[in-house]
Amino acid sequence: QVLLVESGGGVVKPGGSLRLSCLISGFTLNEQYLAWVRQAPGKGLEWVSYISGGGTYSNYAASVKGRFTIYRDNGKRSLYLQMNNLREDDTAVYYCARDLSTAAAPRYFDYWGQGTLVTVSS
Amino acid sequence: IVMTQSPATLSVSPGERATLSCRASETISNNLAWYQQKPGQAPRLLIYDASTRATDIPARISGNGSGTEFTLAISSLQSGDFAIYYCQQYNNWPQTFGQGTKLEIK
Repeated sequence: QVLLVESGGGVVKPGGSLRLSCLISGFTLNEQYLAWVRQAPGKGLEWVSYISGGGTYSNYAASVKGRFTIYRDNGKRSLYLQMNNLREDDTAVYYCARDLSTAAAPRYFDYWGQGTLVTVSS
Repeated sequence: IVMTQSPATLSVSPGERATLSCRASETISNNLAWYQQKPGQAPRLLIYDASTRATDIPARISGNGSGTEFTLAISSLQSGDFAIYYCQQYNNWPQTFGQGTKLEIK
């Protein structure tokens, strides 16, 4: 059974930092891309970042590039998102997802966690 | 690539058929997925490669289209089908989503 469980959300002031974690089980981790996708309150879905199975490749949405860092520890079966210099428009539920992309082509997300809420407010 | 879904809200009676639309701003072949999202829940993959049902998705849910025009059809609507539906292209990075169609009970 595939399971992804996020944690680390909370309330933070603008300019602050937060680290999200995602604990993963149920599939061979080092072969699989992983991603973060976010959803602002009442809004649609926005891809944030992906990382390759071994952690070599990663990419970011323009809105978070230079502020967010994605990384993974396959031994701990965990995905992370370090978020720095947070802004109010980063307020969202953040989902981790299994990304079926490869180095050759993007694909879709077949398993999602339940999400963790990040609120950036003064 | 900009994905545009229509309508924003669709009101359909239980037992009837609903058809949702998704348009891409440029051709994406059949590199399209559909997700269902219920309040307070994560998105759930329904369809990938425009027309292939994901695991455990019933045959009354179907996807169609290629290029720039796509549809999701749900027949014999049940209470659990009333939700928000998102399309997503994966022809190019970054993967992008439509703004969603809310399927509500008429």
